[in-house]
Amino acid sequence: EVHLVESGGGLVQPGGSLRLSCVASGFSYSSYWMTWVRQAPGKGLEYMANINRDGSEKNYVDSVKGRFTISRDNAKNSLYLQMNTLRVEDTAVYYCVRYGPSQTTKTAYEYWGQGSLVTVSS
Amino acid sequence: QSALTQPPSASGSPGQSVTISCTGTSSDVGTYNFVSWYQQHPGKAPKLMIYEVTKRPSGVPDRFSGSKSGNTASLTVSGLQAEDEADYYCCSYAGSQNYVFGTGTKVTVL
Repeated sequence: EVHLVESGGGLVQPGGSLRLSCVASGFSYSSYWMTWVRQAPGKGLEYMANINRDGSEKNYVDSVKGRFTISRDNAKNSLYLQMNTLRVEDTAVYYCVRYGPSQTTKTAYEYWGQGSLVTVSS
Repeated sequence: QSALTQPPSASGSPGQSVTISCTGTSSDVGTYNFVSWYQQHPGKAPKLMIYEVTKRPSGVPDRFSGSKSGNTASLTVSGLQAEDEADYYCCSYAGSQNYVFGTGTKVTVL
């Protein structure tokens, strides 16, 4: 069974930094593209960034380019999101998501973690 | 990239059908057959219901179906059940590793 477990969320002041982690299990982690999707309180879903199987290709939504960095460690079955220069509007639940169903699919979000709440406030 | 447009709400009685629209542009929905749909119950993570416009992942009931015409995609839930009451989001690939979600639709089972 596929499991994605996020950690690292919390309260941070504007301008601060936070690193989210996600540990994957139940599938061949290194065979799938991975992504982060966020959801502000009471709002819709928003794609943040994705990363290819070996970490050599990374893509970001314009609003976080230069501030957020996605990375992965296939030896640890882990995905990361380093968030710098955080803004109040970055407050959201951040989901670690695996693309699927096939290993070549980069257009559907098949498995989701439970989410990690990041609150940016002074 | 602007969010895809969905109606804020939709409703139907048990056993009836409800269809949710998702309107984009020629840069996303109109060009790519990579529209997916997600169901989200309160306080829970989203669940993939439809991908590549019409395909159902394993385990999703065949009461859920997807379609597309021009710049608008649709999700139909047939034979509505109480557990179908949830928020539904569409998503489309928009080229160059860009993805855009819909504004979301709250489905109520009367």
